[in-house]
Amino acid sequence: GNSVTQMEGPVTLSEEAFLTINCTYTATGYPSLFWYVQYPGEGLQLLLKATKADDKGSNKGFEATYRKETTSFHLEKGSVQVSDSAVYFCALGRFGNEKLTFGTGTRLTIIP
Amino acid sequence: GAVVSQHPSWVICKSGTSVKIECRSLDFQATTMFWYRQFPKQSLMLMATSNEGSKATYEQGVEKDKFLINHASLTLSTLTVTSAHPEDSSFYICSARDQRENSPLHFGNGTRLTVT
Repeated sequence: GNSVTQMEGPVTLSEEAFLTINCTYTATGYPSLFWYVQYPGEGLQLLLKATKADDKGSNKGFEATYRKETTSFHLEKGSVQVSDSAVYFCALGRFGNEKLTFGTGTRLTIIP
Repeated sequence: GAVVSQHPSWVICKSGTSVKIECRSLDFQATTMFWYRQFPKQSLMLMATSNEGSKATYEQGVEKDKFLINHASLTLSTLTVTSAHPEDSSFYICSARDQRENSPLHFGNGTRLTVT
C-alpha cells in the first residue's frame, strides 16, 4: 500500500537559515505528491504539489521536486522567516482524489 | 478564500457519552466532505467520506456505528462519536472540496477530543 515517511520534528532554525524537510514515499503507480502546511490556529492548506516525475512544485519561496528514482519529495526553502513557523505535512494521492496518504507532520519553529 | 469551519475546537467528555463535531463550508458548497483522525505523532488517517444526501463511505477498520456521519446539506457534515471511550481521544479533522472543478481540498482547524 501507499505510505509516506517524513522527517521527524520538531525542527528549530534561525531566521534566514536554509530549510530542508525530508519526505520519502512508497506507492503503486504514479501518484501526485503534495506538501500541506498548518499555521497555528488554522486548518491545513495546500502549499505546493507535483503531479509527475521531475516536476517541481513551488510556492511562497518553498520548493519540492518529484524524484521518482529516489521516491522523494523533499521540501526546501533558501531563507526561512518567522512567519514560516508551522506544521508541514507531506502527502501523496491522486490529484482530484481525496484519499490522501499523509506523513506524520513536521513542526517547524523559526526563531528571530 | 474558501473556509471550512470546524466546531468545537476542543471537547472533553466522560466515557459513555456521545460527542458531535460539526464541519461547515462557509463560502462554497461541498457535495463531499472527509473526516480524518490523527493520533499523537502519527499521520492523518482518512476515516470516512461524507456524501451529501447519502450514506457515508467508511474506510476499512472504522466502525460506522461508532462514528456516525450525517451530511444533510451542501455545507454541513457532522461526525458523532457514540459511547466514547478514552481510546477515542484523538484529533479529528474534516475537509471539503468545492464542487466546482479543479478546486483544492479545504481543511478545518480540527477538534481535539479528550475522553475521561
